[in-house]
Amino acid sequence: EVQLLESGGGVVQPGGSLRLSCVASGFTFTSYAMNWVRQAPGKGLEWVSAISGSGAKKYYAESVKGRFTISSEYFKNTLYLQMNSLRADDTAIYYCAKTIGHFWGGWDYWGRGTLVTVSS
Amino acid sequence: QSALTQPASVSGSPGQSITISCSGTSTDVGGYNSVSWYQQHPGKAPKLMIYDVYNRPSGLSNRFSGSKSGNTASLTISGLRAEDEADYYCSSYTSYNTLVFGGGTKLTVL
Repeated sequence: EVQLLESGGGVVQPGGSLRLSCVASGFTFTSYAMNWVRQAPGKGLEWVSAISGSGAKKYYAESVKGRFTISSEYFKNTLYLQMNSLRADDTAIYYCAKTIGHFWGGWDYWGRGTLVTVSS
Repeated sequence: QSALTQPASVSGSPGQSITISCSGTSTDVGGYNSVSWYQQHPGKAPKLMIYDVYNRPSGLSNRFSGSKSGNTASLTISGLRAEDEADYYCSSYTSYNTLVFGGGTKLTVL
């Protein structure tokens, strides 16, 4: 059974940093692209970042480029999102999601999400 | 790049069919077949309903179907049921190597 479990969310001050983790199980981690998607309270979905199964390709939304870094540790089956220079509009539930097939295909498994609150 | 355009809300009665549209441009929906649809119930993670324009994940009801014409993709739900009431989001790959979502559509089953 495929499972994705995020952690690392919390309350952080503007300008601060946070690292999110997503532990994956039930599938071959290196065979699928992984993504981070966020949802601000009461708002819609926003794609944040994607990484290829090999870790060689990484892509970011304009809103987080230069501030967030996606990475993975394949021996730990873990996806990360390092978030620096956090702003109030980064407040959201952050989900990790597994791609169903090709890199930009749909995401068939999602975690439950972890809440990040940026506030002074 | 701008978000894809979806109607804010649609409604239908049990048993009816409804269609949700998702309008983009030639740099996203119109240029690629990487369009997906997600269903989200309150307080839950999104669920993949359609990927690559018209493909259903294994085990998903064939009441859900996807299509695309030009720069507009569509999700059709036939035989509407109470449990279909949820928010629906479309997404598309873009020529900028990013992914963009629609603003979401709230489906109400009357």
